[in-house]
Amino acid sequence: GDSVTQMEGPVTLSEEAFLTINCTYTATGYPSLFWYVQYPGEGLQLLLKATKADDKGSNKGFEATYRKETTSFHLEKGSVQVSDSAVYFCALSTGFQKLVFGTGTRLLVSP
Amino acid sequence: NAGVTQTPKFRVLKTGQSMTLLCAQDMNHEYMYWYRQDPGMGLRLIHYSVGEGTTAKGEVPDGYNVSRLKKQNFLLGLESAAPSQTSVYFCASSLPNGGTEAFFGQGTRLTVV
Repeated sequence: GDSVTQMEGPVTLSEEAFLTINCTYTATGYPSLFWYVQYPGEGLQLLLKATKADDKGSNKGFEATYRKETTSFHLEKGSVQVSDSAVYFCALSTGFQKLVFGTGTRLLVSP
Repeated sequence: NAGVTQTPKFRVLKTGQSMTLLCAQDMNHEYMYWYRQDPGMGLRLIHYSVGEGTTAKGEVPDGYNVSRLKKQNFLLGLESAAPSQTSVYFCASSLPNGGTEAFFGQGTRLTVV
């Protein structure tokens, strides 16, 4: 079945460091891919998405490119801030927009 | 605009008790979902609905029932709670369009003792 694998955390960085969180997927067909973010005590909210191969999703300085050849959707940011500390989930959508999530990666950014 | 609202936010149950979690959305979305979030496992789909009066099983449906009597509401029931159902439960809704965003509620933290 469809699945998403993302790097284990926590990822600990200093402010202004470069961030990469790896995400790979297994799916039949061509799913849409998402990154959701969960701040402490809150629900998930969409960070960015890509709906077809080679699309780049971007938002708030974060970027991810849909790579069909490597079945990947890695999340990157050039300079993280303390306010980016959160849990990041990679996900793909299947029929009826059901989401299949990775296990989540906690990001901790220190001043 | 409230989006997706879940009640209650916290609950402690004894083993064998029953309860219902309520999810309400005000975005006129066709699709609604219940997920559970457990440490190290991400979110997993329990049940979902593609319209008023319809429900379907997700990845982990055992021990849960759902109902969607009104388009804006999606109820999740636990008939006889077990400690394995201790989790954080999230409701979500979306439009039926491919690649569309899902909107999540703030979650219900349930502990079964």
